[in-house]
Amino acid sequence: EIVLTQSPAILSLSPGERATLSCRASQNINNYLAWYQQKPGQAPRLLIYDASNRATGIPARFSGSGSGTDFTLTISILEPEDSAVYYCQQRSNWPPLTFGGGTKVEIK
Amino acid sequence: EVQLVESEGGLVQPGGSLRLSCVASGFAFSSYWMSWVRQAPGKGLEWVANIKQDGSEEYYVDSVKGRFTISRNNAKNSLYLQMNSLTADDTGLYYCARPLFEGSGSYNFDYWGRGTLVTVSS
Repeated sequence: EIVLTQSPAILSLSPGERATLSCRASQNINNYLAWYQQKPGQAPRLLIYDASNRATGIPARFSGSGSGTDFTLTISILEPEDSAVYYCQQRSNWPPLTFGGGTKVEIK
Repeated sequence: EVQLVESEGGLVQPGGSLRLSCVASGFAFSSYWMSWVRQAPGKGLEWVANIKQDGSEEYYVDSVKGRFTISRNNAKNSLYLQMNSLTADDTGLYYCARPLFEGSGSYNFDYWGRGTLVTVSS
């Protein structure tokens, strides 16, 4: 099973700042990594797939990078509505499909 | 508009059973693999099961193998999850989810239901 480790667990930043979230895979997953945003009481929302492709309707301030075992989600200019938990997910080697433990982004 | 609407969950005693349903609309249901993903209260996301377009292949997370069965009825645009021998660890919000692309290999989820709460408790 591929384990995804996300860091930091909590990220507290001010509006306008840059957020950098990390996801590390326990083995090579090529570029088969996705990022989701989940706000309280809502279903997850797909942001990025295959490491760097923005899903439909996702603002350009969200970008993804990385390959192999190390991946990054960057929010270039934080908006208040970006407060959420962000999860990474791999589809390289399954079953099982696996998710990371999440990073909570707090807006000061 | 793509919609996934799960049936109501419920409170079940340990060792009990429950069947979840998800009705899909707004897309060619029979062309997509479909999945169930769950989330324990206050916890992260956990993939539960996948089923191929024609129902010929099913895959499960180890913790539910032998207890849960995923199925589908393409004529009714419906996805199901039969859950047996439930334990407290199965408590959570269960989401029906559709992958991004038709065909195989696209196991990232761009459409989700609102989730249905399953509580296993005596």
